[in-house]
Amino acid sequence: QPQLQESGPGLVKPSETLSLTCTVSGGSISSSDYYWGWIRQPPGKELEWIGSIYYRGSTYYNPSLKSRLTMSVDTAKSQFSLRLTAVTAADTAVYYCARTTYYYEISGYTFDFWGQGILVTVSS
Amino acid sequence: DIVMTQSPDSLAVSLGGRATINCKSSRTVLNSSNNKNCINWYQQKPGQPPKLLISWASTRESGVPDRFSGSGSGTDFTLTINSLQAEDVAVYYCQQYYDSPPTFGQGTKVEIK
Repeated sequence: QPQLQESGPGLVKPSETLSLTCTVSGGSISSSDYYWGWIRQPPGKELEWIGSIYYRGSTYYNPSLKSRLTMSVDTAKSQFSLRLTAVTAADTAVYYCARTTYYYEISGYTFDFWGQGILVTVSS
Repeated sequence: DIVMTQSPDSLAVSLGGRATINCKSSRTVLNSSNNKNCINWYQQKPGQPPKLLISWASTRESGVPDRFSGSGSGTDFTLTINSLQAEDVAVYYCQQYYDSPPTFGQGTKVEIK
């Protein structure tokens, strides 16, 4: 079973850029069967899909975040990353990375293994 | 986006009792190519990430106890927990993967009465 671990700063100032990395172990990030995704959960609110990336670099973003979002992958380090610009308090959340199955025929995403999550607070 | 609405927001069930959680999608999530409904159910215990319990509305993941079952079709779905155990205390979420972006319900908290 794969293991995923998020890392990055827990505090980001408003208007700055949030950067997180997910390290994958116990499985190949270069598997052709899976994508790798980010999901967040604001305090007391529901889960929100941020975006997913394939090991070759193709990306799929939530339209609500697309203008501020960049995802990348480093197969040599078995890592994928998230950059979210111009953050506000509304971006305060627990950020999870997860292994993703993508169903091409329906543009559907399902998440079967998750990291423990990292709380990112946006505050001055 | 497809909106997922769960009910109730919380429920308390006696040990050994049955918990029933409902999930309604704003439009059908039936995949006509395989005649399966694109619904996942997740369990999230305090301080832990969500755990995938059920996919395709009714298929249990490997290792999930058979007291968990999923049902429904079209726009209305149900997660049933039979013989509730103390370790089942958690928040349960439904998620549709019929269309992008994938969307989740607001969650249902299950507690012991």
